[in-house]
Amino acid sequence: HSVLTQPPSVSGAPGQRVTISCTGRNSNFGTGYEAHWYQQFPGTAPKLLIYGNTNRPSGVPDRFSGSKSGTSASLVITGLQAEDEADYYCLSYDGSLSGWVFGGGTKLTVL
Amino acid sequence: QVQLQQWGAGLLKPSETLSLTCAVSGGSFTDSDFYWSWIRQPPGKGLEWIGEINHNEDTNYNPSLKSRITVSLDTSKRQFSLRLTSVTAEDSGVYYCARGLATNLGAFDNWGQGAQVTVS
Repeated sequence: HSVLTQPPSVSGAPGQRVTISCTGRNSNFGTGYEAHWYQQFPGTAPKLLIYGNTNRPSGVPDRFSGSKSGTSASLVITGLQAEDEADYYCLSYDGSLSGWVFGGGTKLTVL
Repeated sequence: QVQLQQWGAGLLKPSETLSLTCAVSGGSFTDSDFYWSWIRQPPGKGLEWIGEINHNEDTNYNPSLKSRITVSLDTSKRQFSLRLTSVTAEDSGVYYCARGLATNLGAFDNWGQGAQVTVS
């Protein structure tokens, strides 16, 4: 089981808002380690979407936002678009494991 | 613009050693603001962090792979490399090199194109 737990799939209609959760532990988010989010399309390398819990790299639309509270983090996508259909992964450092850990990934389907 | 270009043997037999190299063009390679990482993805599965190295050649490895991994740096060639010994079928997948931001640890902002590795 992943140290960071994500729902396997989420879906939403165009224009809607979806939330992808990432549930961690005291050894990662609970210690203060930050959440990062990556977007991956089939057959391509992941792309940094959110870093440091809430920050968007240049070029990432403001429809994407991140937050962290306690031992959980969330990625919110508003105004859902067909092009957002992809896999999304959260990432954090885990002090108990002494390394970076990814969530299991969430497949977003745009209905 | 930073680009990471990676290559290495794609088909290995069990017990052989996987070797991959990632060349970095554009941007700084020796700046303390960056570190260099390897991440892999088994077929149909999620991402797994393998290890990383910084400009001082300090390394940090995934504990589950630590006994088999070496990540090294060649600053003269602007390259970093991964060696994984004693491979098994479980090591098959796509291997990515990536640049990490030392000012925002965990933020991998540039990635290589990926290298398919099959152990059979």
